[in-house]
Amino acid sequence: SQTIHQWPATLVQPVGSPLSLECTVEGTSNPNLYWYRQAAGRGLQLLFYSVGIGQISSEVPQNLSASRPQDRQFILSSKKLLLSDSGFYLCAWSPTPGASNQPQHFGDGTRLSIL
Amino acid sequence: KNQVEQSPQSLIILEGKNCTLQCNYTVSPFSNLRWYKQDTGRGPVSLTIMTFSENTKSNGRYTATLDADTKQSSLHITASQLSDSASYICVVSVDTGRRALTFGSGTRLQVQP
Repeated sequence: SQTIHQWPATLVQPVGSPLSLECTVEGTSNPNLYWYRQAAGRGLQLLFYSVGIGQISSEVPQNLSASRPQDRQFILSSKKLLLSDSGFYLCAWSPTPGASNQPQHFGDGTRLSIL
Repeated sequence: KNQVEQSPQSLIILEGKNCTLQCNYTVSPFSNLRWYKQDTGRGPVSLTIMTFSENTKSNGRYTATLDADTKQSSLHITASQLSDSASYICVVSVDTGRRALTFGSGTRLQVQP
């Protein structure tokens, strides 16, 4: 069966520090991968998605970047965190590229607090 | 502008009671509508997916309905349990674009004993 792992579960970082959040998927190959941010009381906002190794599309301009060094690994990074980067970050995958009727499967998220 | 509006924002019910959550959308062209359940501090989990031609779909005690003409969907929870306490998120997909998901802000449901 397929599983998705995100870590860390919680993270407290000072303003201006770097960031690296990792997400890995097991039990499937060539998944679509997604990074979302969820602000309190608001809907999920898509940050990045990837259809393959090294292929990253950004949905919103921001202080963050994403990379996909391996087929089932998706990394969210920042060189210098801002207070506004605080939030709940979710990684997700979908099983077949372009199959919109497939559900996206989410990880358990990372709660990021910037001090 | 594609939007998904959910109501109510929050809801408190007693264990064993039924409830219905609403979702209105202005997304076009419509592809499918999904309901997710999100426990506090966890990622969302898919409950149902409905395409244009489907009016209703059930998953255990959860039944989703879709009226594509009025662009409304509802999620009905029967015989609620304490474990149903969570946020329920309505998500609408535009056409077949993998990026094109519009998320509602969710309904926070609390089931009390």
